Amino acid sequence: DGGITQSPKYLFRKEGQNVTLSCEQNLNHDAMYWYRQDPGQGLRLIYYSQIVNDFQKGDIAEGYSVSREKKESFPLTVTSAQKNPTAFYLCASSRVTTYNEQFFGPGTRLTVL
Amino acid sequence: AQTVTQSQPEMSVQEAETVTLSCTYDTSESDYYLFWYKQPPSRQMILVIRQEAYKQQNATENRFSVNFQKAAKSFSLKISDSQLGDAAMYFCAYRSGNQFYFGTGTSLTVIP
Repeated sequence: DGGITQSPKYLFRKEGQNVTLSCEQNLNHDAMYWYRQDPGQGLRLIYYSQIVNDFQKGDIAEGYSVSREKKESFPLTVTSAQKNPTAFYLCASSRVTTYNEQFFGPGTRLTVL
Repeated sequence: AQTVTQSQPEMSVQEAETVTLSCTYDTSESDYYLFWYKQPPSRQMILVIRQEAYKQQNATENRFSVNFQKAAKSFSLKISDSQLGDAAMYFCAYRSGNQFYFGTGTSLTVIP
């Protein structure tokens, strides 16, 4: 079945450590996205990529980094520079045609100890 | 920049009744796409319904329908015959190019 996988489901990190969240899709979508979800704030865009080896900052990119070396994969690194990284992270993908919706992964809950 | 506003943080409905969730958006574009997503307690985002701005007819998917008022920039979701499984967060979203803009969500409780 086609879809988006995110791993791990739960992740714990000590302060000062970098951590990488995985996102893989087999939908053959060109565009991929990372969102952060906090209570009462909806989904906020961290980074997005429309094509391999290219990506753009979203509204809250500070303290995060991404890579897009393969069409299927869009990993997100949460660096120690991110001041408040505890949140729920959602990865999504879509076709570039404008009538298509985003498909979402199951999410990763990151907790900083 | 496009903004999407959901003014109802929480709503409740009796089972089998009808409820309407509100969404307004701000844009200067004439052609765009709007979506409603459902996020149940599992937190998996699921597409409920989509609407193309150039279409006058309101979209319908089984018990879910929208009231799209382009001039008013309003895109409300109506859920008929509410079921316990409809309890979730609902997000309104606007697509502009390859960017999606989301509202802050409405938490729907279904009362048995």
